[in-house]
Amino acid sequence: DQQVKQNSPSLSVQEGRISILNCDYTNSMFDYFLWYKKYPAEGPTFLISISSIKDKNEDGRFTVFLNKSAKHLSLHIVPSQPGDSAVYFCAASAPSNAGGTSYGKLTFGQGTILTVHP
Amino acid sequence: DTGVSQDPRHKITKRGQNVTFRCDPISEHNRLYWYRQTLGQGPEFLTYFQNEAQLEKSRLLSDRFSAERPKGSFSTLEIQRTEQGDSAMYLCASSSRTSGRARELFFGEGSRLTVL
Repeated sequence: DQQVKQNSPSLSVQEGRISILNCDYTNSMFDYFLWYKKYPAEGPTFLISISSIKDKNEDGRFTVFLNKSAKHLSLHIVPSQPGDSAVYFCAASAPSNAGGTSYGKLTFGQGTILTVHP
Repeated sequence: DTGVSQDPRHKITKRGQNVTFRCDPISEHNRLYWYRQTLGQGPEFLTYFQNEAQLEKSRLLSDRFSAERPKGSFSTLEIQRTEQGDSAMYLCASSSRTSGRARELFFGEGSRLTVL
């Protein structure tokens, strides 16, 4: 049961244009969403997050949009740069249970390979 | 470097051998997680420690897997009698409950296991 899905395995974009990465989820209990970036031979690096009480969060060139009714979120990168080329993972988290044990139990999508061409 | 550190970065072993991975989290982080990532997939949760207590284990963690965090600092993940299906990247992550960003995990660079 894939609770978090990234249906596009890859995306190719020209430098300077917008990159849009999409993510769908099925579990209504998820209330916090994150995007991670991963370069080859490195661990995932946190990029940006959004709480379910918001529908948009912006950090520099990166904006995450959340559509709760559609159970869909997207990451926009504007303008895209060649250094943004990496695998992008969407992840989701449910509220903490008693004692706060669930916070770090992230459910990841399969990832989208972003290639930004000069 | 004060990030999450994992050792070894790559381990090649023969089927049936035991392997152990070590993770040193960010020093002020009291929460430590192990994840596994196979080719073409996102990381999958294996287990979670708060200080020295192992509070949650995934069904993915079979009896051949054991994780410890004896003093609430570094952690080890041991796989006994390795099988070819254990070949994967094993990722360690940490976070701080006291920070306002408790759900943001900081990952290490991973330990890649290849079982021949």
